[in-house]
Amino acid sequence: QKEVEQDPGPLSVPEGAIVSLNCTYSNSAFQYFMWYRQYSRKGPELLMYTYSSGNKEDGRFTAQVDKSSKYISLFIRDSQPSDSATYLCAMGRAGSYQLTFGKGTKLSVIP
Amino acid sequence: DSGVTQTPKHLITATGQRVTLRCSPRSGDLSVYWYQQSLDQGLQFLIQYYNGEERAKGNILERFSAQQFPDLHSELNLSSLELGDSALYFCASSVGTSEGDTQYFGPGTRLTVL
Repeated sequence: QKEVEQDPGPLSVPEGAIVSLNCTYSNSAFQYFMWYRQYSRKGPELLMYTYSSGNKEDGRFTAQVDKSSKYISLFIRDSQPSDSATYLCAMGRAGSYQLTFGKGTKLSVIP
Repeated sequence: DSGVTQTPKHLITATGQRVTLRCSPRSGDLSVYWYQQSLDQGLQFLIQYYNGEERAKGNILERFSAQQFPDLHSELNLSSLELGDSALYFCASSVGTSEGDTQYFGPGTRLTVL
């Protein structure tokens, strides 16, 4: 079993829809949870960063972490065509600088 | 623009050859990370350097090596290249003082081995 599982999609939604992206993980030592956005042929850029359990909101983006279920989510409200990209979840654990990434979910927002 | 630079953008070479990828971190960042991204494996951590010293090692092959220089730029050396080494190679940097530091990624080098 991989440490981090992420549905690769692709996911296609109409403009204005609410998008839900998810990752599950098996290592209970993970404490830092991130979502990166990667446009085609570009490097990943950090979208959201959450430490431990809880919710974090930034504009149209909300990140949720449920450590009891080993499940993290990213919600995108009022999705825009510019949100079309691959979304990568990433996790880090105490005592380690290494991040473990999910394989990414490719999202297309159709105008 | 993350502030992390990588050269070259593209590299095409033959099996058995050796290449060097270069990364310059963001100003003020002391830590550099190297990742390999392929379609089947996703983004895989290779190795991390902090202020010139190796700090962590991930799934890096023995044919691969890296170093960080006194000016903090880093190089990833890939030798005896195989077809399966074709991938995107990313460098990331962070301040490096805390394990929860944000990592900022460069634009990547696309390596094609023919």
